[in-house]
Amino acid sequence: GQNIDQPTEMTATEGAIVQINCTYQTSGFNGLFWYQQHAGEAPTFLSYNVLDGLEEKGRFSSFLSRSKGYSYLLLKELQMKDSASYLCAVADSNYQLIWGAGTKLIIKP
Amino acid sequence: IAGITQAPTSQILAAGRRMTLRCTQDMRHNAMYWYRQDLGLGLRLIHYSNTAGTTGKGEVPDGYSVSRANTDDFPLTLASAVPSQTSVYFCASSAGASNQPQHFGDGTRLSIL
Repeated sequence: GQNIDQPTEMTATEGAIVQINCTYQTSGFNGLFWYQQHAGEAPTFLSYNVLDGLEEKGRFSSFLSRSKGYSYLLLKELQMKDSASYLCAVADSNYQLIWGAGTKLIIKP
Repeated sequence: IAGITQAPTSQILAAGRRMTLRCTQDMRHNAMYWYRQDLGLGLRLIHYSNTAGTTGKGEVPDGYSVSRANTDDFPLTLASAVPSQTSVYFCASSAGASNQPQHFGDGTRLSIL
């Protein structure tokens, strides 16, 4: 079966760095997406990785290892507005997205 | 502002009633999707459409139907609502290529009593 695993909840301090992990087992792989979803709102796109390595975009970076079925989202210089759920999704062999349940990130002052 | 519009924002519905959730996009995206999001679960694909005139079944299609008469509109119909269909429903669209992200509407919060 297809499976995406993420921690359910994480807590971090304002100004710090946090790493949110995602492991996956899917039928085929055509890229991995990270989305941010604030409570009561729609998911919004953060990053896309299809090749191994690190993609940096401002305070957010995303890493992919296809051989390990592993990705992480790194958030630096945390701000209170970063409190949200972070969703990992993998495009399978049919280019359909398989979604993880999301990691709720709580930022404390 | 370009984007995806969903209607209604929320709805309370009696079991057994028919309901259509509306979704319209103005980005000229080829692909459109309907998901449901339930607490503790990832987004689950109900139906999708890769281009106008075609539709496909996702992971949880039972009890739902869709149509794609044109590029912009992708309505989702619950023929006879049941309480297990209580959920938040998101419509999304993408340009269609595998590396293109999906853009989401604001969602419809549906409660079936």
